[in-house]
Amino acid sequence: EVQLVESGGGLVQPGRSLKLSCAASGFTFSDYYMAWVRQAPTKGLEWVASISYDGGSTYYRDSVKGRFTISRDNAKSSLYLQMDSLRSEDTATYYCTTESSSWGDAWGQGASVTVSS
Amino acid sequence: VLVTQTPSSLPVSLGDQASISCKSSKSLVHNNGITYLAWFLQKPGQLPQSLIHTVSNRFSGVPDRFSGSGSVSDFTLKISRVEPEDLGVYYCLQYVHYPLTFGAGTKLELK
Repeated sequence: EVQLVESGGGLVQPGRSLKLSCAASGFTFSDYYMAWVRQAPTKGLEWVASISYDGGSTYYRDSVKGRFTISRDNAKSSLYLQMDSLRSEDTATYYCTTESSSWGDAWGQGASVTVSS
Repeated sequence: VLVTQTPSSLPVSLGDQASISCKSSKSLVHNNGITYLAWFLQKPGQLPQSLIHTVSNRFSGVPDRFSGSGSVSDFTLKISRVEPEDLGVYYCLQYVHYPLTFGAGTKLELK
């Protein structure tokens, strides 16, 4: 069974850092691009970042460029999102998902991030 | 790429047909000839469910009352006979150009 399990969410002060993890199982992790998608409270879905099979290529939305870093460890079947210089507008539920021609074939249950003093 | 999804709200009766439009500001046809447009449903308090990928291909387990169509930059999701479990917010996503962009969502609700 394909599973994605996020962890690492929580309450953090503005300007501080947080690192999300996504543990994958049930499929060959290294065969997939992976992505992070977020959803602020009462808002729509928003793509955050994507990473290629081996981590050699990464892509970010403008509002997180220079502050967030997506990475992966294929040996551990894990995806990460290092979030630095957090802002209140980064408050959201963060989902990891698979990125392929059948985009979003699997979704994690989400990790809640609240940025507040 | 700007993705414009309409309507933002769609009141329906059970058994009705429902239609949602998604238009992009650029062609969503990749160099390989495949068009990368997907549809998702999010029910209240739940994570998104994947319905359709590459314009018209249903994910496993998605009922055949859901159908996707369109080409280049103009796409439609149709639900042939709305059932109670279809209510929620629908999103389209273009995934050919970075940054990837979702539509703003269409809330399918009862009249």
